[in-house]
Amino acid sequence: EAQVTQNPRYLITVTGKKLTVTCSQNMNHEYMSWYRQDPGLGLRQIYYSMNVEVTDKGDVPEGYKVSRKEKRNFPLILESPSPNQTSLYFCASSPSSLADTQYFGPGTRLTVL
Amino acid sequence: GEDVEQSLFLSVREGDSSVINCTYTDSSSTYLYWYKQEPGAGLQLLTYIFSNMDMKQDQRLTVLLNKKDKHLSLRIADTQTGDSAIYFCAERNSNSGYALNFGKGTSLLVTP
Repeated sequence: EAQVTQNPRYLITVTGKKLTVTCSQNMNHEYMSWYRQDPGLGLRQIYYSMNVEVTDKGDVPEGYKVSRKEKRNFPLILESPSPNQTSLYFCASSPSSLADTQYFGPGTRLTVL
Repeated sequence: GEDVEQSLFLSVREGDSSVINCTYTDSSSTYLYWYKQEPGAGLQLLTYIFSNMDMKQDQRLTVLLNKKDKHLSLRIADTQTGDSAIYFCAERNSNSGYALNFGKGTSLLVTP
């Protein structure tokens, strides 16, 4: 089944404790992206990757890192999480063409205490 | 990114038609999408329209695009309680690369 998976789905952590949220797609998509969703703000892009070893900042990259060592995986890294990073995070992927739609993962709900 | 605006709430009775509206400001928007998010779930692509189209129909869904006014609408015919969800309008253009620029979402409540 073609899908985007994220792990974990739920995470409660404390300020400053490094964490990684994994994202994997099995559709051989070149483009992958991370969004965060906050009440009243909708979805905002954090980082995106056009292909392996190619990443770039989105609208709200501060406090986040990403890597794209393999085509299928695009982990989101929070080196020192803070409470303002409490949010619902979505990973998405799409083929290379601008005309192609993005497929979203199920989301990861992160709470930073 | 450029602004994408939607009304926040819409309430309709079961069986009626729902119309969710969206406006955008970027005149270079090339692709416009409607996503649905049910409670506790991810985003599901409902439909999309290219900017050179005026209308697209897919079963109960009709998308209308007025490019001159930068106005996009989603009409759901015979709305059912299972249609209750948040609906997001999103646009994508060659300037933003592959990024989707989302509206804040419209919460649709369908009452029996």
